[in-house]
Amino acid sequence: GAVVSQHPSRVICKSGTSVKIECRSLDFQATTMFWYRQFPKQSLMLMATSNEGSKATYEQGVEKDKFLINHASLTLSTLTVTSAHPEDSSFYICSASRTEQFFGPGTRLTVL
Amino acid sequence: QKEVEQNSGPLSVPEGAIASLNCTYSDQGSQSFFWYRQYSGKSPELIMFIYSNGDKEDGRFTAQLNKASQYVSLLIRDSQPSDSATYLCAVNTGGYNKLIFGAGTRLAVHP
Repeated sequence: GAVVSQHPSRVICKSGTSVKIECRSLDFQATTMFWYRQFPKQSLMLMATSNEGSKATYEQGVEKDKFLINHASLTLSTLTVTSAHPEDSSFYICSASRTEQFFGPGTRLTVL
Repeated sequence: QKEVEQNSGPLSVPEGAIASLNCTYSDQGSQSFFWYRQYSGKSPELIMFIYSNGDKEDGRFTAQLNKASQYVSLLIRDSQPSDSATYLCAVNTGGYNKLIFGAGTRLAVHP
């Protein structure tokens, strides 16, 4: 149990375009999902906490208008990186929370 | 600011030895503690969690918690080369199971 999927696993896009990443909890209902970003050789940085049916809570320094989070159901949260730039290139990882956090496999975003 | 501290390593141990990974945290109100393993280029994988003072064993892994000292550790017995990874300590700070992660300790198990 506790399987979390992410799609896509890898995406390459041009600067200025928007990219949507989906996170699904496959075998349990997650009232809370989290979005993280990880740059090479650095630790996980929490971007936002997403609760089903309510607005996401963003960490300090994370632009809410640039990183749009939607948590429409207990099994799906999406992160949209709007007007992506090369500095947004990173490994984006979601997690879904039951009593513990279970991570999706991650999405590697490359912005050209 | 709530912090979780880990030695970045690398911690190098021979195959078959015990690897000891340590973590300290600043928030005295923290209630639950987690160890994740992360292979290079992959997402973290939950290994163990511990809520109470003392030891908790699961196979080759033992988590140890000392809330008075604000210290949590992970012991890996009979270390294998496949255990080579970065180990992340995470602390639950309260609402919504939000976790604060340490920077991770890189473990290298050599044959």
